[in-house]
Amino acid sequence: AAGVIQSPRHLIKEKRETATLKCYPIPRHDTVYWYQQGPGQDPQFLISFYEKMQSDKGSIPDRFSAQQFSDYHSELNMSSLELGDSALYFCASSLASRAEAFFGQGTRLTVV
Amino acid sequence: DQQVKQNSPSLSVQEGRISILNCDYTNSMFDYFLWYKKYPAEGPTFLISISSIKDKNEDGRFTVFLNKSAKHLSLHIVPSQPGDSAVYFCAASAGLSSGGGADGLTFGKGTHLIIQP
Repeated sequence: AAGVIQSPRHLIKEKRETATLKCYPIPRHDTVYWYQQGPGQDPQFLISFYEKMQSDKGSIPDRFSAQQFSDYHSELNMSSLELGDSALYFCASSLASRAEAFFGQGTRLTVV
Repeated sequence: DQQVKQNSPSLSVQEGRISILNCDYTNSMFDYFLWYKKYPAEGPTFLISISSIKDKNEDGRFTVFLNKSAKHLSLHIVPSQPGDSAVYFCAASAGLSSGGGADGLTFGKGTHLIIQP
């Protein structure tokens, strides 16, 4: 069965650079979520989209932005990267009518 | 303030015995609860869920119990197997009962379950 695809799997950036993370949800899923998991931390909800509109917002820094495109894939754009942005970034998708979100394998971002 | 709490960072259980993972929450708006299992370097994998209108949901070796008055839920794994060794996250969601779709999940900090042979 198709799962949530995230790219890239690993990314190394320098401070103050910009990064773009991509997420391709499970086919027919209309909701996408982004989470950040720091070392030894629980996943923190960043932002979600339903039918290409932002539906919920969590602890997403102003330096980050995201959008969902017409094909339902989503991109998380991160600017002015800081060392503290180093984390695993997970994307998840679901049907809006159900809470079960299915996660991708994550993108490990390292800021040096 | 942690709205979903897993107070045991780790739990060690002998193979074949019952594993009980606990989770407490504070937000009374939560109406759907989920358990995820996570292996290192992988994304969380959905395991089992329960709606706030139920007090028990069972799926094979996994059973989730919900005590709304105590704002407590638990995951029982019977019998525990070596492949169950992983970090288990409790997660909660609000908004399904209002028909507006699920809000972003709020996760607990996880419990590392270790199954000993």
